[in-house]
Amino acid sequence: DVKVTQSSRYLVKRTGEKVFLECVQDMDHENMFWYRQDPGLGLRLIYFSYDVKMKEKGDIPEGYSVSREKKERFSLILESASTNQTSMYLCASSFAHIGTLNTDTQYFGPGTRLTVL
Amino acid sequence: AQSVAQPEDQVNVAEGNPLTVKCTYSVSGNPYLFWYVQYPNRGLQFLLKYITGDNLVKGSYGFEAEFNKSQTSFHLKKPSALVSDSALYFCAVRAAYSGGYQKVTFGTGTKLQVIP
Repeated sequence: DVKVTQSSRYLVKRTGEKVFLECVQDMDHENMFWYRQDPGLGLRLIYFSYDVKMKEKGDIPEGYSVSREKKERFSLILESASTNQTSMYLCASSFAHIGTLNTDTQYFGPGTRLTVL
Repeated sequence: AQSVAQPEDQVNVAEGNPLTVKCTYSVSGNPYLFWYVQYPNRGLQFLLKYITGDNLVKGSYGFEAEFNKSQTSFHLKKPSALVSDSALYFCAVRAAYSGGYQKVTFGTGTKLQVIP
C-alpha cells in the first residue's frame, strides 16, 4: 500500500510565523502535490513537483513556497503566516506516465489542519 | 478553461436505496476522469477512474461510474447505499496526454448522507 504521511494533523500558529509542513511518500513516486481544501471551494493546487528540486506553481501559489531536496519528501513553507491561510492542507503523490510529467491516480496524506491566529 | 461541476452540495439517500452523485466536466480533447472519497478528518482516497474503453467503470466498495461523452458527465453510482458510505465525494478531470503537463482539476465536492 502506498503511504503518504504528513508531519502534523493539527497545527496552530500565530500571524507572521514561518510555518513548515512536511510530506513523505514511500512509493518512489515522481510527482508530488500540495493542495489546500476549503469548504465550497474544493481542492486547489498550490504547488506541484515532478522531480527533485523541480517545481511548478499551481493555481494559488501566492504566500507559499516549496522545497523538494529528496524524491520522497516535499515541504510546503508559509514564509509569514496570515489568517487567510487557515485551512486544511493536503499532500499527494503519484507516478508519472512514462515519458511525461502527467499524473494518474493520486495518493493523499491525512491532511494538516492549520489554524493561524 | 478546464472545469468540473458537482451540482449538488449534499445528497441524502436512505440506506439500501440506489445512490447517484453527479459530475459534469469541461476539458479540451479526451478526458481522464477520477472519483475520490474523503471520510471525516481523513485525506482523499481513490475510488475509480476512466481512461479509455468501457464507459462503465467499476471501483472500490461497490461503486461504479458511467462515462457519457455526449453529456460530458461521469456520475458515480451504487446500487444499494450503506451508512458507511456517508462521506465527501470529489470528481476530478484532466486532459488525456497531448504533450506537456496536464493539470488535474477537482470539483467542489458532494456530501453524501446515507440515512439509516
